[in-house]
Amino acid sequence: DSGVTQTPKHLITATGQRVTLRCSPRSGDLSVYWYQQSLDQGLQFLIQYYNGEERAKGNILERFSAQQFPDLHSELNLSSLELGDSALYFCASSVRDSGNTIYFGEGSWLTVV
Amino acid sequence: DQQVKQNSPSLSVQEGRISILNCDYTNSMFDYFLWYKKYPAEGPTFLISISSIKDKNEDGRFTVFLNKSAKHLSLHIVPSQPGDSAVYFCAAMNYGGSQGNLIFGKGTKLSVKP
Repeated sequence: DSGVTQTPKHLITATGQRVTLRCSPRSGDLSVYWYQQSLDQGLQFLIQYYNGEERAKGNILERFSAQQFPDLHSELNLSSLELGDSALYFCASSVRDSGNTIYFGEGSWLTVV
Repeated sequence: DQQVKQNSPSLSVQEGRISILNCDYTNSMFDYFLWYKKYPAEGPTFLISISSIKDKNEDGRFTVFLNKSAKHLSLHIVPSQPGDSAVYFCAAMNYGGSQGNLIFGKGTKLSVKP
């Protein structure tokens, strides 16, 4: 158990809908990362937050957004969902904003039908 | 453009033998490298890391080698055990940069046969 908690574990939704994935980082970690893993891709970095502020942005679609709240938990919002958004979404956390190992949650499986 | 490449999607090894997983990178700013192991339906688990100031780091059965001039690293597992069967991801970062995100390869699925 990495200490990073993600909910929900599984989610099935229809195209065009909006979902929110939630992440609680390890105790004491200030940085949260979101990654997407689809079938034919490795782990694609989406976005990083550090202590409530956006720190880095990767291949995140404009239909997706995220935020980190004062209690350090984070949410990833996915809207106008398409079939191709079906993937495993991982949250990870680390103590600092850079230069440290990051620890992953177990992921949220999103299936868009 | 993939900055971290794992060119072997899969590898099969007999129990007790050595497993060698390879990884290449293109970005010369990367100076810290990590290996993660992933079982089905679980998140990636940190395994071992190496800084660019070293060329080898060892932790039990796991050793990571770094060849900076070739921009190549490898993970050696000796001896391999059936429980090592998993997908192994190579990842890289700029340790001193302002961002902590890791760039991952696509993974190598290791199967260790009894």
